[in-house]
Amino acid sequence: KQEVTQIPAALSVPEGENLVLNCSFTDSAIYNLQWFRQDPGKGLTSLLLIQSSQREQTSGRLNASLDKSSGRSTLYIAASQPGDSATYLCAVRDGSSNTGKLIFGQGTTLQVKP
Amino acid sequence: KAGVTQTPRYLIKTRGQQVTLSCSPISGHRSVSWYQQTPGQGLQFLFEYFSETQRNKGNFPGRFSGRQFSNSRSEMNVSTLELGDSALYLCASSLAVGSGGTQYFGPGTRLLVL
Repeated sequence: KQEVTQIPAALSVPEGENLVLNCSFTDSAIYNLQWFRQDPGKGLTSLLLIQSSQREQTSGRLNASLDKSSGRSTLYIAASQPGDSATYLCAVRDGSSNTGKLIFGQGTTLQVKP
Repeated sequence: KAGVTQTPRYLIKTRGQQVTLSCSPISGHRSVSWYQQTPGQGLQFLFEYFSETQRNKGNFPGRFSGRQFSNSRSEMNVSTLELGDSALYLCASSLAVGSGGTQYFGPGTRLLVL
């Protein structure tokens, strides 16, 4: 059974710092991995999608990497800003192409202090 | 292009009642998935629909059901509500089940059961 773990559960950093969020999964047979952002009481905003054949994806100040063999992904945020404060969730899509089911980690709640 | 819309945004019900939630996917998307989010369990997969057919179902009791219409809009129904059903219910849409593409989430419906 696939399990997704995110460490740390919470993180507080001063503005301007570069930071790394971690995500690990137990079964390497994934289709893809997606990073989301969730603001309090809101829905999920997709940040980056990495297919199983890819190593990394970049969007602006965000860079996500994937090491499928070791069951790990990282989300790197450069030059953090107070507006980056949110909960970050990673989710893996089951290895079968016939289902879009996502399995989520519990999230990392990030606070960026001005 | 409009995003995923969910109605209603907030609901208050009492135990034993029934509730129906609605989700309209992004135009052109044919796959809709539903998730339940609670502080204790995080995000859990409920079910997935594609072309009016349920493709996958999570580990929830039969009180949770859903359907998809020919225009890809989806509804989920919860009968005989319990206090533990209080949660944020999120739906996500994607082009197709096997597309491997990004899943886009709606803002959610927050259900409170008293």
